[in-house]
Amino acid sequence: AQSVTQLDSQVPVFEEAPVELRCNYSSSVSVYLFWYVQYPNQGLQLLLKYLSGSTLVKGINGFEAEFNKSQTSFHLRKPSVHISDTAEYFCAVEVTGFQKLVFGTGTRLLVSP
Amino acid sequence: NAGVTQTPKFRILKIGQSMTLQCTQDMNHNYMYWYRQDPGMGLKLIYYSVGAGITDKGEVPNGYNVSRSTTEDFPLRLELAAPSQTSVYFCASSPAGNTEAFFGQGTRLTVV
Repeated sequence: AQSVTQLDSQVPVFEEAPVELRCNYSSSVSVYLFWYVQYPNQGLQLLLKYLSGSTLVKGINGFEAEFNKSQTSFHLRKPSVHISDTAEYFCAVEVTGFQKLVFGTGTRLLVSP
Repeated sequence: NAGVTQTPKFRILKIGQSMTLQCTQDMNHNYMYWYRQDPGMGLKLIYYSVGAGITDKGEVPNGYNVSRSTTEDFPLRLELAAPSQTSVYFCASSPAGNTEAFFGQGTRLTVV
């Protein structure tokens, strides 16, 4: 069965600094990869996704992620964060053809002035 | 465009009571999902449906039931509420696999 590991439960960072949120997955078959963001008291919304093709994926709000098959990773990055990026970020994997997302435990990004 | 609508937003139940969490989507999506979110645990899939009349269990189905009589609606039923079911419940829909899932605002349920 596939699984997703987000090693960092919380990442504090100063405004305008770069950030990387780590995500590793395990699966013996091909997968689709997603990053979702959850703002306080809201549902989740899609940041970006990797289905195939270029391993560097760009998403909304200046975020990007790189798929690394050999390291089974899909880390999320932003070169300069803003206060409004404070939220919880979830990495998710979907085994191709199974229509079910498996989520990681989430990483809380805390951006301070 | 309403998207995915969940009701109620908040509910307190006593142990042993039953209730139905409602979920409606107006995007004509075939796939619908129920997740529960617990602190530090991420989201766990309870049940999902790939179309009207078709449902299947996810990772944590015990204590829950679902039905899918129409494309739009996917209610989640708790028959005998237990404190372990205290959680935030999210309904989601998507047009197909490998596409974006659209989430509702969530239902915060407390069982006392």
